[in-house]
Amino acid sequence: GAVVSQHPSRVICKSGTSVKIECRSLDFQATTMFWYRQFPKQSLMLMATSNEGSKATYEQGVEKDKFLINHASLTLSTLTVTSAHPEDSSFYICSALGLRIDTGELFFGEGSRLTVL
Amino acid sequence: TQLLEQSPQFLSIQEGENLTVYCNSSSVFSSLQWYRQEPGEGPVLLVTVVTGGEVKKLKRLTFQFGDARKDSSLHITAAQPGDTGLYLCAGILTGGGNKLTFGTGTQLKVEL
Repeated sequence: GAVVSQHPSRVICKSGTSVKIECRSLDFQATTMFWYRQFPKQSLMLMATSNEGSKATYEQGVEKDKFLINHASLTLSTLTVTSAHPEDSSFYICSALGLRIDTGELFFGEGSRLTVL
Repeated sequence: TQLLEQSPQFLSIQEGENLTVYCNSSSVFSSLQWYRQEPGEGPVLLVTVVTGGEVKKLKRLTFQFGDARKDSSLHITAAQPGDTGLYLCAGILTGGGNKLTFGTGTQLKVEL
């Protein structure tokens, strides 16, 4: 089956620094990828839709200058958390849209846990 | 306000018991999916339902999509400790493109 890989799986950084998380589709091309944020024991909240070659579409309430998304190729999307603060600590998950667009079949990465000290 | 409300939010049962998780909305979905997620990992797709009234079975799991495509249920028969996890329903709104909206989640714990 289709595989989506995220890197790093865990990252700890100091407050004020920026952190980049990568999301790669390993065996298929993904024109659309999604970034989610998940707090402990809660559901996934969509942050933004990443489209290859164009600007990301952010959900209401998500700061686009804070969470920079780049989808420069058909297999890679990156999320950069800029000037991270402790409240940005969370589990970030990406997904890539598979071939079954009509059913919205998504393939999820393993997630990246960000801890900001 | 969450588009997809799941109930119950938490469920702790003994091995061998049956359970049903509900996923409800006032909106119509073109398709609906169920995922299971373990701590520190991404969600894993269990099933996709697209037709109103559709019933799908996956071993001890039975999934149903409501006739009006506004709700869904997941029934687990003879639960096992390996079923423990966070169960998430997620749907694509009719006319919503390919954006997946997740439910509020149900945390299931199955004890020996």
